[in-house]
Amino acid sequence: DTGVSQDPRHKITKRGQNVTFRCDPISEHNRLYWYRQTLGQGPEFLTYFQNEAQLEKSRLLSDRFSAERPKGSFSTLEIQRTEQGDSAMYLCASSLYFNEQFFGPGTRLTVL
Amino acid sequence: AQSVTQPDIHITVSEGASLELRCNYSYGATPYLFWYVQSPGQGLQLLLKYFSGDTLVQGIKGFEAEFKRSQSSFNLRKPSVHWSDAAEYFCAVGAGETSGSRLTFGEGTQLTVNP
Repeated sequence: DTGVSQDPRHKITKRGQNVTFRCDPISEHNRLYWYRQTLGQGPEFLTYFQNEAQLEKSRLLSDRFSAERPKGSFSTLEIQRTEQGDSAMYLCASSLYFNEQFFGPGTRLTVL
Repeated sequence: AQSVTQPDIHITVSEGASLELRCNYSYGATPYLFWYVQSPGQGLQLLLKYFSGDTLVQGIKGFEAEFKRSQSSFNLRKPSVHWSDAAEYFCAVGAGETSGSRLTFGEGTQLTVNP
């Protein structure tokens, strides 16, 4: 039973650099979500895909953030010109239509 | 807009004691409600969910939760806590297809279990 996987698990970068994270959902799941979690807070929704279509984006997703799911399988989340405020845990989840979401282990980003 | 409040930031219980974690939600229609648990540095694991039907739902690891519409609550309970239950617990509400099925989470309750 393969769950949701995320790569890398940890990323340290300098302010102004670009970073890209990858998420591989559970294989039969057609929906994929990205959330951001800062220390001491609950996860906050960023965006979600149904198959390859990006159907919703949060106001939290500034122009520096872009997400793709090119073939309806894995997804990437890119942050351009990183800022210290981008430091957080980035969580990916997947589901089969509207059902419970299964989360990956997350990618912890530290911007120096 | 939907929202979730978890009034207790931190709870400490003794091993073997009963546990209740509070969750209040705000949403205009019938909500979809979830409890997740997160261990340090890890992702979230689903404990249980309420979509419809019986208002008392059973989950994994001996947890249960009760949906009370009149109180806008979905409290999590366990009759006897184990040391391995120490973690952070998040309540979440989903509004279904009308909101694209995104989840709105509370700020979490950190559970400490004393031996």
